Amino acid sequence: DGGITQSPKYLFRKEGQNVTLSCEQNLNHDAMYWYRQDPGQGLRLIYYSQIVNDFQKGDIAEGYSVSREKKESFPLTVTSAQKNPTAFYLCASSIDQAGRAEAFFGQGTRLTVV
Amino acid sequence: KNQVEQSPQSLIILEGKNCTLQCNYTVSPFSNLRWYKQDTGRGPVSLTIMTFSENTKSNGRYTATLDADTKQSSLHITASQLSDSASYICVVSASHSSASKIIFGSGTRLSIRP
Repeated sequence: DGGITQSPKYLFRKEGQNVTLSCEQNLNHDAMYWYRQDPGQGLRLIYYSQIVNDFQKGDIAEGYSVSREKKESFPLTVTSAQKNPTAFYLCASSIDQAGRAEAFFGQGTRLTVV
Repeated sequence: KNQVEQSPQSLIILEGKNCTLQCNYTVSPFSNLRWYKQDTGRGPVSLTIMTFSENTKSNGRYTATLDADTKQSSLHITASQLSDSASYICVVSASHSSASKIIFGSGTRLSIRP
């Protein structure tokens, strides 16, 4: 089945550690996005990529890094520089580079710093 | 600045009642507007998508309206069911030639009580 898959669903990280969240899609979508959601808050854009080997910072990119070596994959690394990483992270993809198509979301990864 | 504002922030209604959620946006140039339903701990799922020329679109008990002149949208839920309890997110896409930006509202948390 076509879709967008995030893993793991739950992730625990010790303070000072980097951690990478996986996002894979088999929808042949060009554009992919990472969002962060805090309790009671809306989604905030971390990074987005409109084509392989290219990505752009979103509104809250500090403390995060991404790569887009393959069309299907857009992993997000939460670095130790991110001071408040505990949140729900959502990955999305869209078929149209101009954003006119619908965004499909993964099921999310809940990251907790312990 | 591109913004999407939703109201109310939260809403509690009795099962079987109707309700209307509001979305105001200042996104330009406007491409499309979508309403998503997000169950707790899950990724958002699209309910409706509307472009500039559409002013009403229905999906079962969900009816979305769009007034492009006043930059307002509403989502009306008829005969609410317990399964309608979720967050409803308004998402507006701006189109800038080859670039794109998707702006999320903070959502309305709807609770249906038996």
